[in-house]
Amino acid sequence: AQSVTQLGSHVSVSEGALVLLRCNYSSSVPPYLFWYVQYPNQGLQLLLKYTSAATLVKGINGFEAEFKKSETSFHLTKPSAHMSDAAEYFCAVSEGDTGRRALTFGSGTRLQVQP
Amino acid sequence: SQTIHQWPATLVQPVGSPLSLECTVEGTSNPNLYWYRQAAGRGLQLLFYSVGIGQISSEVPQNLSASRPQDRQFILSSKKLLLSDSGFYLCAWSVPDRPFNEQFFGPGTRLTVL
Repeated sequence: AQSVTQLGSHVSVSEGALVLLRCNYSSSVPPYLFWYVQYPNQGLQLLLKYTSAATLVKGINGFEAEFKKSETSFHLTKPSAHMSDAAEYFCAVSEGDTGRRALTFGSGTRLQVQP
Repeated sequence: SQTIHQWPATLVQPVGSPLSLECTVEGTSNPNLYWYRQAAGRGLQLLFYSVGIGQISSEVPQNLSASRPQDRQFILSSKKLLLSDSGFYLCAWSVPDRPFNEQFFGPGTRLTVL
């Protein structure tokens, strides 16, 4: 069975400050990992994905995440927060090559950006 | 390019009434399809997934059901809504036979059961 833990349901940063959203996973098979962003009353948009290539993954809107197998982590970072980054962020893990092919999501982290 | 549609966007229904939410995907064939529910302040809960027409797998026993009458159409239904059915319902699709299975989400339906 696989699971995802996102530490911190709410994170608040100042505009221009570093954004760090934490994600730890548990998986019995090599994982594929994703970060999604959700703006109010909208669907989820894919930010970036790790698919066993480079461990440092760059995504849209200046975000990046680093896969660390030894720490079972896939934390999301952005060097400088912008007001438009305020949203909810979800980390997810895929079961990979199985028939179900579903994603397991973390409970989400709401990012607030202060002016 | 591929697009995914959901309707209605919002819905207010009384307890005990029926429900039908629709999801359609354009620009791809034989997608994997998924229904998720997002309750207030909580993460996403997978309700159903489908790998083909008429093939539905249920993840959580409940009073909801799903159907896939056409390749790119996925319907979520209920005969009698409960208060606990309130939430934000998201449909998603993915390319079959791809191991990393990234999913693409629709805009969602906000359901309020009163």
